[in-house]
Amino acid sequence: EAGVTQFPSHSVIEKGQTVTLRCDPISGHDNLYWYRRVMGKEIKFLLHFVKESKQDESGMPNNRFLAERTGGTYSTLKVQPAELEDSGVYFCASSQARFAAWREDPYSYNEQFFGPGTRLTVL
Amino acid sequence: AQSVSQHNHHVILSEAASLELGCNYSYGGTVNLFWYVQYPGQHLQLLLKYFSGDPLVKGIKGFEAEFIKSKFSFNLRKPSVQWSDTAEYFCAVRGGNTGKLIFGQGTTLQVKP
Repeated sequence: EAGVTQFPSHSVIEKGQTVTLRCDPISGHDNLYWYRRVMGKEIKFLLHFVKESKQDESGMPNNRFLAERTGGTYSTLKVQPAELEDSGVYFCASSQARFAAWREDPYSYNEQFFGPGTRLTVL
Repeated sequence: AQSVSQHNHHVILSEAASLELGCNYSYGGTVNLFWYVQYPGQHLQLLLKYFSGDPLVKGIKGFEAEFIKSKFSFNLRKPSVQWSDTAEYFCAVRGGNTGKLIFGQGTTLQVKP
């Protein structure tokens, strides 16, 4: 079974340019997450899709970031225009839907599988 | 708000030494706890997880962790490290009605042969 894949592995762009990152989750995983690690800091949550719907986008830093997941399969994260502080490693993760609305904690027992990350450098 | 604190940012050990990496979290409700590892040049991999039940969980490669609810801790241990354990280790917690993981700052472990 293929794991989570991300493209590109590295991207170097200039400030003001646009970059689009792509994530392909494990087949059949309804949950897709984006995280980011800025150098020297912790890995931080950006947003969470359940199929094609944004479940939680509380971690998105500002409106220069746009995430989509059309059709509920792969996802893209666009940064437009990129700023210097956007540099970092962007991780994608996916998990199976063990969501059960009747549970008090519907995301319990979700194990997330991570992709290799995209290293973004903004000059 | 949830947060995770890893006590050590950089640890250097000799082979065969014992390892304990500290992790404390702040969240009052039911949590799922994880330790992930990132070996040089590789992606994040799950070492072990705690969902419920026995608070002592065993993971891959001889690692284990103990969930102590009263201390809000989930420390990672290994009795004898190997050079191949050189990596960065991340503690993470998930709680509440969300799927997102909250990570600690990471601990870089360097094992000297």
